[in-house]
Amino acid sequence: EPEVTQTPSHQVTQMGQEVILRCVPISNHLYFYWYRQILGQKVEFLVSFYNNEISEKSEIFDDQFSVERPDGSNFTLKIRSTKLEDSAMYFCASRVATTYEQYFGPGTRLTVT
Amino acid sequence: GDSVTQMEGPVTLSEEAFLTINCTYTATGYPSLFWYVQYPGEGLQLLLKATKADDKGSNKGFEATYRKETTSFHLEKGSVQVSDSAVYFCALLTGNTGKLIFGQGTTLQVKP
Repeated sequence: EPEVTQTPSHQVTQMGQEVILRCVPISNHLYFYWYRQILGQKVEFLVSFYNNEISEKSEIFDDQFSVERPDGSNFTLKIRSTKLEDSAMYFCASRVATTYEQYFGPGTRLTVT
Repeated sequence: GDSVTQMEGPVTLSEEAFLTINCTYTATGYPSLFWYVQYPGEGLQLLLKATKADDKGSNKGFEATYRKETTSFHLEKGSVQVSDSAVYFCALLTGNTGKLIFGQGTTLQVKP
């Protein structure tokens, strides 16, 4: 069964460093999302992406964040200068156009020290 | 804005016990509602969904009914198994881009 994959599973970085989280959505999906979950808190929407552009972003998704679909398979989230409060689990999700059912990856745990 | 509230966890049950996890929502209109489950070390998996009032979603013995009068979507299972131990998330669909708004998650632990 097709699945969304994410790499790495765990990333440790120092404050101020740039990180790129990678996702490979399911191949025929057209809508892509990033969510995050700070430990002990809710899963929060960050951004949605369709047709090679951001379709919606939350107030969390400030200028430090960017997303890209550099080729036909990868979908990346970049944080330019990480802060301690960026430590969280980051989930990628994707879906087809005909249904709102989203398929989630296993997540990347980002730890900023 | 739209929001979802779930009952606090963790919930600890014995095998074969009845499960209820409460979920209520605040939203304009009548959003689609979902339950996702996260097993240890895995991503969020869709468990069931309901797209309109009075719909009942069901899967793997779990059920939830969309109640617009009480703005609720409680998850139930008649007889839980150890393998049901996981974190359960209630969510609603909102906006034009299909983003999900999640509750805080409820951890279920089932003991043999």
